[in-house]
Amino acid sequence: EPEVTQTPSHQVTQMGQEVILRCVPISNHLYFYWYRQILGQKVEFLVSFYNNEISEKSEIFDDQFSVERPDGSNFTLKIRSTKLEDSAMYFCASSEYGPWGEQFFGPGTRLTVL
Amino acid sequence: ELKVEQNPLFLSMQEGKNYTIYCNYSTTSDRLYWYRQDPGKSLESLFVLLSNGAVKQEGRLMASLDTKARLSTLHITAAVHDLSATYFCAVDIQGGSEKLVFGKGTKLTVNP
Repeated sequence: EPEVTQTPSHQVTQMGQEVILRCVPISNHLYFYWYRQILGQKVEFLVSFYNNEISEKSEIFDDQFSVERPDGSNFTLKIRSTKLEDSAMYFCASSEYGPWGEQFFGPGTRLTVL
Repeated sequence: ELKVEQNPLFLSMQEGKNYTIYCNYSTTSDRLYWYRQDPGKSLESLFVLLSNGAVKQEGRLMASLDTKARLSTLHITAAVHDLSATYFCAVDIQGGSEKLVFGKGTKLTVNP
């Protein structure tokens, strides 16, 4: 069964460093998302992406964040200068039908900022 | 702003017992989802509820949706230890928004 994959599974970085989290969505899906979950808290929407542009973003997704689909298979989330409070689990999701369909979540990347 | 409230947030129950988790949301929605999350793991989709009165069952779990009351329930029948996990409901906003708004989750512990 097709699934969303994410790499790395765990990333440790120093405060102020840039990180790139990678996702491979399900191959025929056109809508892509990032969510985050701070430890012990609820899952929060960050951004949605369709047709090579951001379609919606939350107030969390500030100028330190960016997303990109650098090729036909990968979808990345970049955090330019990480802060301690960026430590969280980051989930990528994809959907075939966007607003009209279900989102399928990847296994997550645990980001630890020291 | 869409708000999603789950209760209880923590639930400890004995094996063999029944219980219900509630999910209330504040505005009209197209779809309601229930997810299971084991510690340190991703979100496993359990149910997608699309219309008023929808009821879905899988094993010991049954989910229902009342769009008029803006309420969904996840009923657990004859709980077993393997059901121990955190359960989230999530709602998407009607009108083409793609973001899912999650509740805070219900951490379920089933004791032998």
